[in-house]
Amino acid sequence: NAGVTQTPKFQVLKTGQSMTLQCAQDMNHNSMYWYRQDPGMGLRLIYYSASEGTTDKGEVPNGYNVSRLNKREFSLRLESAAPSQTSVYFCASSRRNTEAFFGQGTRLTVV
Amino acid sequence: GESVGLHLPTLSVQEGDNSIINCAYSNSASDYFIWYKQESGKGPQFIIDIRSNMDKRQGQRVTVLLNKTVKHLSLQIAATQPGDSAVYFCAESRETSGSRLTFGEGTQLTVNP
Repeated sequence: NAGVTQTPKFQVLKTGQSMTLQCAQDMNHNSMYWYRQDPGMGLRLIYYSASEGTTDKGEVPNGYNVSRLNKREFSLRLESAAPSQTSVYFCASSRRNTEAFFGQGTRLTVV
Repeated sequence: GESVGLHLPTLSVQEGDNSIINCAYSNSASDYFIWYKQESGKGPQFIIDIRSNMDKRQGQRVTVLLNKTVKHLSLQIAATQPGDSAVYFCAESRETSGSRLTFGEGTQLTVNP
């Protein structure tokens, strides 16, 4: 069982470049999430999707967009990357109000 | 505002001792709480959870205690092992918030041999 799969695992971008982080889950979960984690800190919610076809802003949505492509896939897009977006990005999925399962993370550096 | 916070950023224990990691939350409407373990370079891993209609839940070597009166959550690890060294996060959610998890800042647990 793959669980939650994120791609890529590492990425370096120049300021102003765009990219899409991909996430897929094979657990038939309705809810999916994108978090960012800065060094020595906890996880902050960027966007989440309670079900296919819906997305909602989290704590830190500015500079990001998301797409819930289908039940399995939830992508995060940076339209114009900034150094402040250097972070580790985690995708997660869950059934409603149960534990979330996390991917291994995407380490993004914006120079 | 709403928050889930931890009392201590670091905790150092001797191998074989019991560890207690604490967490405070501010929203009395929170109805679901989770403890996660995060090892270096990895994603958070589920340890144990508890719902607000319970005070205590036990797993293998771990126990979570919930005190709703003072909005306090704790994780107890029995006979702590070197493999338990990691950052531990508490998280909370509410049915009314669509299951979105809010995380605390984390406690770095170091187990000394």
